Amino acid sequence: NAGVTQTPKFQVLKTGQSMTLQCAQDMNHNSMYWYRQDPGMGLRLIYYSASEGTTDKGEVPNGYNVSRLNKREFSLRLESAAPSQTSVYFCASSERVWDGVTDTQYFGPGTRLTVL
Amino acid sequence: AQTVTQSQPEMSVQEAETVTLSCTYDTSESDYYLFWYKQPPSRQMILVIRQEAYKQQNATENRFSVNFQKAAKSFSLKISDSQLGDAAMYFCAYKVDRGSTLGRLYFGRGTQLTVWP
Repeated sequence: NAGVTQTPKFQVLKTGQSMTLQCAQDMNHNSMYWYRQDPGMGLRLIYYSASEGTTDKGEVPNGYNVSRLNKREFSLRLESAAPSQTSVYFCASSERVWDGVTDTQYFGPGTRLTVL
Repeated sequence: AQTVTQSQPEMSVQEAETVTLSCTYDTSESDYYLFWYKQPPSRQMILVIRQEAYKQQNATENRFSVNFQKAAKSFSLKISDSQLGDAAMYFCAYKVDRGSTLGRLYFGRGTQLTVWP
């Protein structure tokens, strides 16, 4: 049981290049999330997917797109990378979002992205 | 807007001693959830403890316990019998599952804990 996995672990891009960060979970969770962590800051939500087939913007969605490929996988795409997107990116998943009973989010190991 | 404040950027503790990390939050909600996450140098985010706002009893997980003061909007983490492996960045987080904020975790900026042998 690997939990939440992310690829790649490290990536360096030039300004204007595009790339996709991959995330997969094997816990049969309904909800998945993408966060970014900047130095001196807590994590901030970029996008989330409450269930398969739905996606919603979080706190800092500009410059990103997401795809909920299936229940297991949730990818984050940078179409034209900018230096301001240099950050550590975390994917997370949780069992459910609805019914008012919160659930715990489990995080992947993160991807360190540098945009030159 | 939801805000989570951790007023201590850094804390240190001697091994086997007790340390308390502070967290305050701002909300107009009555039902919400609070979490402490630990992030060691590996960068992995690890759940330490969680507290439901409707529960009056403070959560406890082995050496970790919280002091939840709902009226004061305070949620501190106490680590007893500190161990070298407790050294990490600790994040306080808030979550409410209602309306447009469904499913979102709001994080504080973190407290870096150093444990001295």
